[in-house]
Amino acid sequence: DAGVIQSPRHEVTEMGQEVTLRCKPISGHDYLFWYRQTMMRGLELLIYFNNNVPIDDSGMPEDRFSAKMPNASFSTLKIQPSEPRDSAVYFCASSLSAGGWEQYFGPGTRLTVT
Amino acid sequence: QQQVKQSPQSLIVQKGGISIINCAYENTAFDYFPWYQQFPGKGPALLIAIRPDVSEKKEGRFTISFNKSAKQFSLHIMDSQPGDSATYFCGGAGNNRKLIWGLGTSLAVNP
Repeated sequence: DAGVIQSPRHEVTEMGQEVTLRCKPISGHDYLFWYRQTMMRGLELLIYFNNNVPIDDSGMPEDRFSAKMPNASFSTLKIQPSEPRDSAVYFCASSLSAGGWEQYFGPGTRLTVT
Repeated sequence: QQQVKQSPQSLIVQKGGISIINCAYENTAFDYFPWYQQFPGKGPALLIAIRPDVSEKKEGRFTISFNKSAKQFSLHIMDSQPGDSATYFCGGAGNNRKLIWGLGTSLAVNP
């Protein structure tokens, strides 16, 4: 099992540019979570999906952030336009409803907005 | 609004000692309390979790103690090893699987 796959691993972009982060959950998992991690705020849940449907997006900071899950094996988190305060590590995690509540995290994408 | 408060922020323990990290929660609807371990450059990974119907759960050197009336739970790491040096996060969730996280504890175990 390859685990949760995220790309890119590192992204450096200029303020105002569009950023797209990608996630491939573990095959068969029906929950997908997007998190943001910073030193100041810790781990913040941005949005999560169940069976490709967004369940709770109350953690999405503002309209500049959007997330999609077009199918069970792919999700994107888009920031447009990006700002320096968006610099953080973004994690994707997946879990299986029939397998308990454990969330399996990907390696993260370190985003730097200059 | 932080619903899970974790302490201490950082902890230094000697090899072989006991590491203790505490968490307090506010939401009485929480019924799932995990501890995750995160190494630098990696995503968090589940270490151990507990439901409120038990007061203690032990897995190897790791133990969760749970006090429902006080709305507190703690992680004890017995015989701490340098390889345990990591950041530890507690969390709480209700039946919607939405985990609310503590801010983390950076543990350093000196050899």
